[in-house]
Amino acid sequence: QVQLQESGPGLVKPSGTLSLTCAVSGGSISSSNWWSWVRQPPGKGLEWIGEIYHSGSTNYNPSLKSRVTISVDKSKNQFSLKLSSVTAADTAVYYCARDQYYYGSGSYGIYFDYWGQGTLVTVSS
Amino acid sequence: SSELTQDPAVSVALGQTVRITCQGDSLRSYYASWYQQKPGQAPVLVIYGKNNRPSGIPDRFSGSSSGNTASLTITGAQAEDEADYYCNSRDSSGKHVVFGGGTKLTVL
Repeated sequence: QVQLQESGPGLVKPSGTLSLTCAVSGGSISSSNWWSWVRQPPGKGLEWIGEIYHSGSTNYNPSLKSRVTISVDKSKNQFSLKLSSVTAADTAVYYCARDQYYYGSGSYGIYFDYWGQGTLVTVSS
Repeated sequence: SSELTQDPAVSVALGQTVRITCQGDSLRSYYASWYQQKPGQAPVLVIYGKNNRPSGIPDRFSGSSSGNTASLTITGAQAEDEADYYCNSRDSSGKHVVFGGGTKLTVL
């Protein structure tokens, strides 16, 4: 059973950098999966931030791309998120999740089968 | 703004059937998946692919798709099904992931 655990500061100052780590247990981060970050502002919906493969390849949400860096540490079986120049609008619960793919007749789909429990990050002075 | 559109709120009488829909152009090319989220909890996958349920998800949950619309159907809704439901898929470019805005399901 794969488990994901987010960790990092719960409070970040405006204009600072948000840094979170997702530790993966019960499975290898070097498996044939991508790994994602998703966030949810209080009372609002889910927003995908980006994803990484163990090779270091990344895809980012275009609306956040200029501020986001996702990296992987295979030796520690974890991946990380950095979000720079944060404002109050970045206050959210941040989740890490494992990507999976479903291949059907002539199409495919992406889904997240394992999620961390989430960590609240508040941007405030 | 999301490339996937969901009704903000839907209600259903206990034991009845409810359909939650998700619309978007990318759904003509990619399958949607569906998540249930209860207050204070992480999302839980309930449907993926054409119509697949992860282990532990009751068979009253089912999925379907037609054109640019994906649907999650709960047949015989239970009180414990009251939650927010989100769809997700690849976007039209195929490079990014998008979520619908979510549907709050109330079981009356």
